[in-house]
Amino acid sequence: QVQLVQSGAEVKKPGASVKLSCKASGYTFTSYYIHWVRQAPGQGLEWMGIIDPSSGYTGYAQKFQGRVTMTRDTSTSTVYIELSSLRSEDTAVYYCARGGWAYSSSRFDYWGQGSLVTVSS
Amino acid sequence: QSALTQPASVSGSPGQSITISCTGTSSDVGDYNYVSWYQQHPGKAPKLMIYDVSNRPSGVSNRFSGSKSGNTASLTISGLQAEDEADYYCSSYTSSRTWVFGGGTKLTVL
Repeated sequence: QVQLVQSGAEVKKPGASVKLSCKASGYTFTSYYIHWVRQAPGQGLEWMGIIDPSSGYTGYAQKFQGRVTMTRDTSTSTVYIELSSLRSEDTAVYYCARGGWAYSSSRFDYWGQGSLVTVSS
Repeated sequence: QSALTQPASVSGSPGQSITISCTGTSSDVGDYNYVSWYQQHPGKAPKLMIYDVSNRPSGVSNRFSGSKSGNTASLTISGLQAEDEADYYCSSYTSSRTWVFGGGTKLTVL
């Protein structure tokens, strides 16, 4: 069965960086895009970016350009997101979600369990 | 990219039908049939309910249906059940090759 298993909760100080992981299983890792979506406490969903596990191609929301990096390791079927220059507003649950085989597919069909990042001094 | 516009809340009684709207622009909802809907219960990850405007993934009840007209997409839930009470989010692909979510709608089953 398809599974996306994310790394655990993190507590970071303002200005620091955080790197989260999302390990995929149950399907061909390189055949589907992976998205990252975050949700601040009590708020809605916010799309952060996309990565093609096959080529490593990435696309980021303008809001996070210059502060976010998405990478992948095909040997372990794992994608990573790193967010730098953290501020309190980055406190949120970060989700990875499997997209489609096509870049524009709207089918985010499997989601990780979420990783809580808390930014506090 | 501004968030898609959804009503903050909707409600209905068991057995009734409700519709949640999702309004975007000609650069997202209006220009692409790549609109999806997600259900989220408190403390849980979102669940895909509808993709590509009106397609239901395997395992999703046929009480859930989607449609689109111009810049507005809609999610209809018929035969409301208590377990449908949740937050619902729409999402659309955009002309900037990004995605945008709606602000979310809280569904209350009375």
